[in-house]
Order: sequence, then structure tokens, then C-alpha cells
Amino acid sequence: AQKVTQAQTEISVVEKEDVTLDCVYETRDTTYYLFWYKQPPSGELVFLIRRNSFDEQNEISGRYSWNFQKSTSSFNFTITASQVVDSAVYFCALSEAYPMDSNYQLIWGAGTKLIIKP
Amino acid sequence: GAVVSQHPSRVICKSGTSVKIECRSLDFQATTMFWYRQFPKKSLMLMATSNEGSKATYEQGVEKDKFLINHASLTLSTLTVTSAHPEDSSFYICSAREFGREGNQPQHFGDGTRLSIL
Repeated sequence: AQKVTQAQTEISVVEKEDVTLDCVYETRDTTYYLFWYKQPPSGELVFLIRRNSFDEQNEISGRYSWNFQKSTSSFNFTITASQVVDSAVYFCALSEAYPMDSNYQLIWGAGTKLIIKP
Repeated sequence: GAVVSQHPSRVICKSGTSVKIECRSLDFQATTMFWYRQFPKKSLMLMATSNEGSKATYEQGVEKDKFLINHASLTLSTLTVTSAHPEDSSFYICSAREFGREGNQPQHFGDGTRLSIL
């Protein structure tokens, strides 16, 4: 069965600190996709990144970086020099690469609430 | 980027009322649309998967007659909460996947509908 675990329910840091959000997943598939989404207090979900299981290169986008470690089934997300605007709930999600129904449903983690204090 | 419009953003109505929520893909054709429900401080719970021109596939425990889904075109899906009661109060979010794109493209989310039944 597929599962995504975000063990950190809530993290609170002071602005400008670096923070890492953990994501551990379980799947029997050899090919899969991993995602991170951001949900600010306003409620909308913002797509941050999609990673194919074949691509283990780490990715950096501005202050955001992602560390994909297939050996430990982890896809951690780091925000460098955090800002108050980064405060949100962050969700990690997993999807099959070739689902039989072609619907590519997402398996969601529970989310981590990130609070950045000024 | 791909835009999904969800309307209305907020509904407050009396018990027994039926409420229709629209989800439109504005600049792409959506093969598949998903409807989620999110309880406070919880992750997204998939309610149903909707493919254009066919009946929606509901997740276990979701009442088909209660939550009517119509996906009449490649750009529009609707969720109707029939005879809503206070326990149906929640945050409902739709998402859409782009038609014709190969591989597992990210789901693009609407801004959500906050439904409050008095």
C-alpha cells in the first residue's frame, strides 16, 4: 500500500532561520512521482514541485530546495532564510507513475504547519 | 500557468438546501477532475474522481446520492451537495489534470469553497 508520512505536525521558527520539512513515503512501485504543495491560510493549494522517482538529483528553486533520497524513501523540503510569507501548511504527496485507471490520484501526507515568526 | 477557477468561494445556507460548486479549467482542457474535502487542520480527503463524459468514481464512504458530480465538458465539473446538513460543513477543493499531456502532470487546484450549513 502507498503511504506518505509527515511526522512533523507543526514547526515554528524565527524569520531568517532555515527549516526542513520531512516527508517519508512507502510504495511498492518502482516508478512513481512525488509532489509538494503549499496551502497558505487563505486555503488555496499551490503546486511547488514534482519529482520523478528516476530523477534523484536535488533541486533548488530560489530559497526552496528538495532532497530526494530513494534509499531512505524520503523527499525532504528545505526553506532557506525563511520569511513570514512562508507560513503555511505544506503537503507532501505521492502518485503512481502508471496507474491502471490513468487517474493519477494523489496519496497525501497529513501536512506540516509551518509558522515563521517575525 | 494552468488556472482552475472554483466558485463560489464561500457559501452559508440553511439546512436542507442543495448547494452547487463549480470547477472550471480556464486555460486548459481537463481530462480528469478531482473533488476533495478538507476538515480543519486535516489533510485533503479525496471524495471522487471525475472523468469527462463518464460517471464519477467515488471513494469508499462517500455517498453518491449526497454528493452529485457532473463532468459534462473538458473544462467544467460540478459538485452538488444535496439537502445539506451541518455535518456537511467543510472546505471543498477541486483539482484538474490537463488533457493530452503525457506522464503524471501536477494537479492544479481551485481556491476551494468553504461551505457552512446552519
